[in-house]
Amino acid sequence: EAGVTQFPSHSVIEKGQTVTLRCDPISGHDNLYWYRRVMGKEIKFLLHFVKESKQDESGMPNNRFLAERTGGTYSTLKVQPAELEDSGVYFCASSQVPPRLFFGSGTQLSVL
Amino acid sequence: DAKTTQPPSMDCAEGRAANLPCNHSTISGNEYVYWYRQIHSQGPQYIIHGLKNNETNEMASLIITEDRKSSTLILPHATLRDTAVYYCIVRSGSARQLTFGSGTQLTVLP
Repeated sequence: EAGVTQFPSHSVIEKGQTVTLRCDPISGHDNLYWYRRVMGKEIKFLLHFVKESKQDESGMPNNRFLAERTGGTYSTLKVQPAELEDSGVYFCASSQVPPRLFFGSGTQLSVL
Repeated sequence: DAKTTQPPSMDCAEGRAANLPCNHSTISGNEYVYWYRQIHSQGPQYIIHGLKNNETNEMASLIITEDRKSSTLILPHATLRDTAVYYCIVRSGSARQLTFGSGTQLTVLP
C-alpha cells in the first residue's frame, strides 16, 4: 500500500513568489491534514479536510495560505506571496480513523 | 485537551529497553494517550495508543498507571534506528486532529 506522498520534497523560492505544495493521501482516506514545523518550533496543525470539505482551518496562519482538495483526492497548499517566516517543513497526513494519522515525508520550504 | 509533560531528552544503550515517561495529570475519562515519533527528516509516525489498559504492538508497549495520570512508552530492545523525538499526546476519542508538544529526544547509543 502506498503511503502519503508529498511533492516537491524541497522548494527554494524568493520572497514574494508563489509556491504550491501537493499531497497525495493514502487511497480511501477521507481525512487529510496539513501541518508545518517552523525552525526551532513545534509541529503545528494548519487544517483538516474531510473529503473535499474543510473541517477545521483554525491553524492557517493568514490569508496568504490557500488549501484545496480537489474531488476529495489529492490536496494542494498554496502560499502566495511567500514571506521569510513561511520557511519550514510542511507535512501532510491522512487518516481513515482519526486521530491515527499517517504522515508524508514533508516538503522543506525555504523562502529567501 | 489535557497537557502532557515529557523530559526533553533521554539516552539509551542499544539493545536495552527504552522507557519514555509522560505525565498527563489532568487527563479526563474520555481522553486517550497517543504516542508518535519523528525520526530526523521524516514525517511523524504513529506508535501506539491506549485509554486505560496496557497495550502492546509490534513496535512498543504502553503502560498507563491506574489513575491514568501518567504513562510510559517502552521500546523493548532499542536500536540505533529508534533515535527520534517521541511525542506523548492526549486527545479525546472524538478528536479529529493532533496537537504536538516538544516531545522527548531519545538517543540510542551504540
